[in-house]
Amino acid sequence: RKEVEQDPGPFNVPEGATVAFNCTYSNSASQSFFWYRQDCRKEPKLLMSVYSSGNEDGRFTAQLNRASQYISLLIRDSKLSDSATYLCVVLTGRRALTFGSGTRLQVQP
Amino acid sequence: DAGITQSPRYKITETGRQVTLMCHQTWSHSYMFWYRQDLGHGLRLIYYSAAADITDKGEVSDGYVVSRSKTENFPLTLESATRSQTSVYFCASRTGTSGAYEQYFGPGTRLTVT
Repeated sequence: RKEVEQDPGPFNVPEGATVAFNCTYSNSASQSFFWYRQDCRKEPKLLMSVYSSGNEDGRFTAQLNRASQYISLLIRDSKLSDSATYLCVVLTGRRALTFGSGTRLQVQP
Repeated sequence: DAGITQSPRYKITETGRQVTLMCHQTWSHSYMFWYRQDLGHGLRLIYYSAAADITDKGEVSDGYVVSRSKTENFPLTLESATRSQTSVYFCASRTGTSGAYEQYFGPGTRLTVT
């Protein structure tokens, strides 16, 4: 079983839609969580950290459920520029992050 | 310019050749990392370094060698390139500050082994 699992998509949504991605992680000892965004095989860029209490950054909301070991990302009012691959990322003890394979989002006009 | 840079950005080499990919960061980050990204596998850790002269293997380290004689540089060497090492290679760095685990990535090197 992969350490971090995501639905690869693609999720095709119209502009203005709300879309949610989920991600599950296998190691209950994981202690830090992030969402990264990656455009067309360019470098991944940090979108936001995910905190236990949930956190929001503009149109983006991240939630963490430690009991069920899943992380979610909600995007409201989708823009064309949101089209990208979203990577779920966890830190478990080691010094390096573990990345999911990504969920592809395509926002259509 | 500030940030994390990689060179070359594109490289084509032949099977059996030695290749070195360069990574340089100007933030004085303690930690540096090398990942490879292949379709269907996502990003996989090759090696990482917690400080100068301290390196450790990741999940796919076979066939690769790293060194870190200076904090700002973390070169990755393919000792004898194989076709299976055709990939996009990303270097990343982060601070050593406890609780600050976000990593920042370089633009990547696209390597093709023929």
